[in-house]
Amino acid sequence: SAVISQKPSRDICQRGTSLTIQCQVDSQVTMMFWYRQQPGQSLTLIATANQGSEATYESGFVIDKFPISRPNLTFSTLTVSNMSPEDSSIYLCSVRDSPKETQYFGPGTRLLVL
Amino acid sequence: GQQVMQIPQYQHVQEGEDFTTYCNSSTTLSNIQWYKQRPGGHPVFLIQLVKSGEVKKQKRLTFQFGEAKKNSSLHITATQTTDVGTYFCAGPNYGQNFVFGPGTRLSVLP
Repeated sequence: SAVISQKPSRDICQRGTSLTIQCQVDSQVTMMFWYRQQPGQSLTLIATANQGSEATYESGFVIDKFPISRPNLTFSTLTVSNMSPEDSSIYLCSVRDSPKETQYFGPGTRLLVL
Repeated sequence: GQQVMQIPQYQHVQEGEDFTTYCNSSTTLSNIQWYKQRPGGHPVFLIQLVKSGEVKKQKRLTFQFGEAKKNSSLHITATQTTDVGTYFCAGPNYGQNFVFGPGTRLSVLP
């Protein structure tokens, strides 16, 4: 199984600022994803982080707001830009080796925007 | 787009009682996965079902995939306080991504 770490684990940020979340996996994985989970809600996929190319964003999410990097097969970052209180949420990194394989989640980054 | 629904949204049971959550998809699924998220934790994979009518067991947990591959259920026998959490089902969306259901939040009263 993949072991995933995320930094920071939590943060409190001011409106209008940006935060970059890091995701590190202990092994090379084919697919990396970023999810958002608002309190008491389900998981919403933000984007698929593609190694060496632009991320693939889901409907309702755009690159200017959530730029993503994936320089290699073990690391990715998600930036939440120009934050507003509505961005307060848990952001989760997730990995999978193939479409039919187990999906593993990182511990999440708890973000509060004031 | 594809939708995955779950019922009930919440379930409160007395310790020792059984619990079932149901998952329904608007489209036929090639497979379905179940996850458990403890309060304050992150989702943890429980199982994947692939075959029509498949039934899998993990100790007190029984997972079933419907014959039409559009629904699934998770049944817990004799719940324990360690079963507390939110149970999500997830189905593949256009092959690569998974769509998660809204989850069923289980609380177990000792």
